[in-house]
Amino acid sequence: AQSVAQPEDQVNVAEGNPLTVKCTYSVSGNPYLFWYVQYPNRGLQFLLKYITGDNLVKGSYGFEAEFNKSQTSFHLKKPSALVSDSALYFCAVRARGGGGNKLTFGTGTQLKVEL
Amino acid sequence: DVKVTQSSRYLVKRTGEKVFLECVQDMDHENMFWYRQDPGLGLRLIYFSYDVKMKEKGDIPEGYSVSREKKERFSLILESASTNQTSMYLCASSRKQVRGTDTQYFGPGTRLTVL
Repeated sequence: AQSVAQPEDQVNVAEGNPLTVKCTYSVSGNPYLFWYVQYPNRGLQFLLKYITGDNLVKGSYGFEAEFNKSQTSFHLKKPSALVSDSALYFCAVRARGGGGNKLTFGTGTQLKVEL
Repeated sequence: DVKVTQSSRYLVKRTGEKVFLECVQDMDHENMFWYRQDPGLGLRLIYFSYDVKMKEKGDIPEGYSVSREKKERFSLILESASTNQTSMYLCASSRKQVRGTDTQYFGPGTRLTVL
């Protein structure tokens, strides 16, 4: 079975400061990893994904994520947070070669960026 | 741009009613999915479909059924709505799996309340 843990329900950060939203995963074999963002009353929007290759993945809106195989983590980062980044962030995982196209999502982390 | 639309943003139904939630995508995607989103639980997969008339159970299929008669349309059916089915329902679509890298694109969601 595959699973995702987002250990923080909420992350608060001041505008202009770097932000990190944590994600760890459990999967048989090598993973595909995704980050999505959800703004209020909206569906999920794709941010970035890790497939293979470079462990640092760059995505939309200045976000990036670092794949760490030894720590089974895929933390989302941004060097300088904006108030408009305030939203709900979901990490998701899928095992390679199995499980069809089923993604398993974490429970989400609410990011609040304050002035 | 991929567009996934859902028939209603908000829906209020009574216990025991039959409820249809409709989802349409305009990108000729083979795969379609239905999730429900609940606070603290993240997104949980109800059903998915790889092709017309094909369906597979997700993690929480009990109390739900689906229909996919046309490639672009995927319907979620609550045969007899219950209060514990009050939730946000999200539809998603993706291309046929190519090395598992396909991204799922989400609709805006339907917030269903069962009284």
